[in-house]
Amino acid sequence: KAGVTQTPRYLIKTRGQQVTLSCSPISGHRSVSWYQQTPGQGLQFLFEYFSETQRNKGNFPGRFSGRQFSNSRSEMNVSTLELGDSALYLCASSGGYGNTIYFGEGSWLTVV
Amino acid sequence: TQLLEQSPQFLSIQEGENLTVYCNSSSVFSSLQWYRQEPGEGPVLLVTVVTGGEVKKLKRLTFQFGDARKDSSLHITAAQPGDTGLYLCAAFYNQGGKLIFGQGTELSVKP
Repeated sequence: KAGVTQTPRYLIKTRGQQVTLSCSPISGHRSVSWYQQTPGQGLQFLFEYFSETQRNKGNFPGRFSGRQFSNSRSEMNVSTLELGDSALYLCASSGGYGNTIYFGEGSWLTVV
Repeated sequence: TQLLEQSPQFLSIQEGENLTVYCNSSSVFSSLQWYRQEPGEGPVLLVTVVTGGEVKKLKRLTFQFGDARKDSSLHITAAQPGDTGLYLCAAFYNQGGKLIFGQGTELSVKP
């Protein structure tokens, strides 16, 4: 079956702009989580959605937001972009608590 | 403060050598996972260890969960260039859907 699909794969934005990233989970998976990966901070948890509800949240400012649709697809949005937001943003899906988490290939965001 | 401390951060070895990566925490976890990530791709789950003292083998990779379920190790025997990548340990925080990661170990195996 198809894996986790993230779009776009690469994008460049200017400081102050906003960006929306999209994630399509594996068919049948209802949990979608987002992570930010940078060389300095490693992989950090952003938030997790389950059945359109945010179930867990990491320690990121309110500029980072997300949502999940009824078909389990998810989007994350970053407003007022800063240079430090440049990172690989990874989406992961699973069937629920304790189930294996599958990651997408990520969206590379560069803020200039 | 990192809840999961991984060491070493970088490891460069010759093909055929053995190596061990450590993942330590002051917290007790119900389970711990090991991932491998190659450049340009997302992490891929290698194994989940659940029981204290558990040892799991995956070909040349041996994973161990500490008796107190606070630490884990990954041992690779006779490393090959194909083992090159970023190795990450991870655990669910408060048994929820929030997965926390160690800083990762960047392994380079030279032919």
